Amino acid sequence: GDSVTQMEGPVTLSEEAFLTINCTYTATGYPSLFWYVQYPGEGLQLLLKATKADDKGSNKGFEATYRKETTSFHLEKGSVQVSDSAVYFCASSSNYKLTFGKGTLLTVNP
Amino acid sequence: DAGVTQSPTHLIKTRGQQVTLRCSPKSGHDTVSWYQQALGQGPQFIFQYYEEEERQRGNFPDRFSGHQFPNYSSELNVNALLLGDSALYLCASSPPWTGINYGYTFGSGTRLTVV
Repeated sequence: GDSVTQMEGPVTLSEEAFLTINCTYTATGYPSLFWYVQYPGEGLQLLLKATKADDKGSNKGFEATYRKETTSFHLEKGSVQVSDSAVYFCASSSNYKLTFGKGTLLTVNP
Repeated sequence: DAGVTQSPTHLIKTRGQQVTLRCSPKSGHDTVSWYQQALGQGPQFIFQYYEEEERQRGNFPDRFSGHQFPNYSSELNVNALLLGDSALYLCASSPPWTGINYGYTFGSGTRLTVV
């Protein structure tokens, strides 16, 4: 079945540092790919998505490019803020369901 | 505009009991999915309801069942609770004709603790 593997956390950065969270997937067919963010005590919020190879999803300074050749969808941000501290989940879609990675806890210190 | 609403927010049950969790989808959405998120893990797909029927099911035992009502709201029922059922249960909804590429709108979840 489908699976998503993402970088183990936790990740701790200083404000304005560069962020990369790696994500790779295995799937039959051509899934859509997503990044979701979960703040403490809350549900998941869709951060960005890409629906086909070479698409770049972007939102709030975060970016991720759908790389079919490497089956990857790495999340990047050029300058993180304290308010970006949260758990980030990579996910793929097929057959009406989302398959999630285990999540990466990001802590940004001032 | 209210998003996805789930109730209750927290629940404590005893092993062997039964529980019902409720979800109201975002206005204009007609498809509801349920996910289980164990502590420190990513959400796991339980099932999806569309037009009042279960359209797709994940790898969960028959103790987990659901229902969707004509107003698109949904319930998740879990029978014969086990300690391992302790988790955050998330409801997600999506609008008509959007398909999986839309990405879902998630509620804040129900935290179930089984003791």
